[in-house]
Amino acid sequence: DAGVTQSPTHLIKTRGQQVTLRCSPKSGHDTVSWYQQALGQGPQFIFQYYEEEERQRGNFPDRFSGHQFPNYSSELNVNALLLGDSALYLCASRQGRDSPLHFGNGTRLTVT
Amino acid sequence: QKEVEQDPGPLSVPEGAIVSLNCTYSNSAFQYFMWYRQYSRKGPELLMYTYSSGNKEDGRFTAQVDKSSKYISLFIRDSQPSDSATYLCAKGGPYNQGGKLIFGQGTELSVKP
Repeated sequence: DAGVTQSPTHLIKTRGQQVTLRCSPKSGHDTVSWYQQALGQGPQFIFQYYEEEERQRGNFPDRFSGHQFPNYSSELNVNALLLGDSALYLCASRQGRDSPLHFGNGTRLTVT
Repeated sequence: QKEVEQDPGPLSVPEGAIVSLNCTYSNSAFQYFMWYRQYSRKGPELLMYTYSSGNKEDGRFTAQVDKSSKYISLFIRDSQPSDSATYLCAKGGPYNQGGKLIFGQGTELSVKP
């Protein structure tokens, strides 16, 4: 049973560029959330997708956007990258809206 | 003040010791609590979750929640070098808050052979 899978594992981008990160949820899960984890910090909630709609959003600017596809997979897009966007981006999935989250191993984004 | 406070450590203990990891939280409008373990270069792995005050045990791990004092603890018995990782506490909202978890900073634990 595959868990949450994310791609790519590492990414290096230049300030001002745009990036797309991808996530496939755990089998049987229909809800996907995205988190940003800076070095030495706990993950911070970006947003959650359920039934292909953004259902909840954390305190992140509009440069951060996402999408969920009919097969429940999801993308995170970040525009106009800043140096401060360098972090580990984690995708998490769950079945429904009230069960524990299961995380992938993340995409490490470095902005130079 | 952060909603979830956690001592970042690092915490170093000898193999076989009992480890106590703690968090405090400041907002009572949250219904469930979780502990995650995160190895270096990996994503958080769910260890324990609980909806109520009291203790929940799973093997060598015990999660304790005291809602009256807003205190969350994780106890690890007979600690092993493989337990060396960062431990994250998190709290989750009621049903309509979905997937938003509030995490502590994480406590780095090292278990020495």
